[in-house]
Amino acid sequence: RKEVEQDPGPFNVPEGATVAFNCTYSNSASQSFFWYRQDCRKEPKLLMSVYSSGNEDGRFTAQLNRASQYISLLIRDSKLSDSATYLCVVNADSWGKLQFGAGTQVVVTP
Amino acid sequence: GAVVSQHPSWVICKSGTSVKIECRSLDFQATTMFWYRQFPKQSLMLMATSNEGSKATYEQGVEKDKFLINHASLTLSTLTVTSAHPEDSSFYICSATGSGRSDEQFFGPGTRLTVL
Repeated sequence: RKEVEQDPGPFNVPEGATVAFNCTYSNSASQSFFWYRQDCRKEPKLLMSVYSSGNEDGRFTAQLNRASQYISLLIRDSKLSDSATYLCVVNADSWGKLQFGAGTQVVVTP
Repeated sequence: GAVVSQHPSWVICKSGTSVKIECRSLDFQATTMFWYRQFPKQSLMLMATSNEGSKATYEQGVEKDKFLINHASLTLSTLTVTSAHPEDSSFYICSATGSGRSDEQFFGPGTRLTVL
């Protein structure tokens, strides 16, 4: 079983629509959770950290469910520029080691 | 701030040659650097963790004699792929964290290695 699992997609989303997807993690001791965005052939860029109480950053909302060990990301009012692969990332230990999911591809269409 | 650079951005080499990739933190001191490898449509896989002035810690299954890591200063880490073979073709990405900062990792732009 993978440490971090994501639906690879693609999620085809009309511009302006809302899309949401989850990621599950296996290490119940994980303390830090992140969503990164990765464009084709580029490095990952931090989109947002995920906090226990859930958090919002503009059109992006992240939720954490520790009991079920999943994290979600919701994108409202999708823009064409939101097309990317979204990586779910979980810390593996207290020394900064991260575990990455394989990513969920989102394609926003006009 | 928090910029990490990698050089080269892409490299094509013949099988059997060695390739060195540099990772630099441009505006902060990186106490820890991480090296990842990413194959198409797969997740980033951590190869090794390096701390300045000490030997790198390799992940299980990563050959330390094939992937040589040197972290000689607080702003530079190098990864050398020795005797590269076509199966080593991949996207190599480094990241860095610095003392006094949060646990956020700052990623370099990656190096695309193609071994013919």
